[in-house]
Amino acid sequence: AQSVTQLGSHVSVSEGALVLLRCNYSSSVPPYLFWYVQYPNQGLQLLLKYTSAATLVKGINGFEAEFKKSETSFHLTKPSAHMSDAAEYFCAVSDSSASKIIFGSGTRLSIRP
Amino acid sequence: ETGVTQSPTHLIKTRGQQVTLRCSSQSGHNTVSWYQQALGQGPQFIFQYYREEENGRGNFPPRFSGLQFPNYSSELNVNALELDDSALYLCASSLGLAGDQETQYFGPGTRLLVL
Repeated sequence: AQSVTQLGSHVSVSEGALVLLRCNYSSSVPPYLFWYVQYPNQGLQLLLKYTSAATLVKGINGFEAEFKKSETSFHLTKPSAHMSDAAEYFCAVSDSSASKIIFGSGTRLSIRP
Repeated sequence: ETGVTQSPTHLIKTRGQQVTLRCSSQSGHNTVSWYQQALGQGPQFIFQYYREEENGRGNFPPRFSGLQFPNYSSELNVNALELDDSALYLCASSLGLAGDQETQYFGPGTRLLVL
């Protein structure tokens, strides 16, 4: 069985500060890992995905995530937060790129001016 | 824009009624998945269709059913609506089932309110 735990339902950072959203996964098979972003009243947009290639994955909008098997983690980072980054972020796991995706409960990111 | 559209955008129904939600995938996408996202939660997998056949189902009762059509459109049907069915329903499409380069593209969702 696969699962995802997102640590912190709400994270608040100042504009220009580092963004760090934490995600730990559980999987009995080599996982595919994803980060999605959801803006208010919209669907999900893929930020980045890990598919067993490079452990450091670069995504859109300056985000990146590092797969650490020893820690079963896939934390999302961005060096400098922008006001437009305010949204809900979901970490997710799957056993392939096109199979059912198991989502975490989400982390709401707020940006302080 | 992902090229995946859903209709309607919003819907209000009463308990016991039936509802049909529609999704139009990108042209050529043979796989569609449906998810339910309750308020304040992450999406939960309902089921997946591949080339018009069900290809996996989550922990949802049989009153949740689906159809996929050859023209890359699909439907989610929910019978005997319950208050807890109130949620955002998302569909996601992809080309196929295999390969590291597969990406699932999500639509904007249909927000269903059951009164």
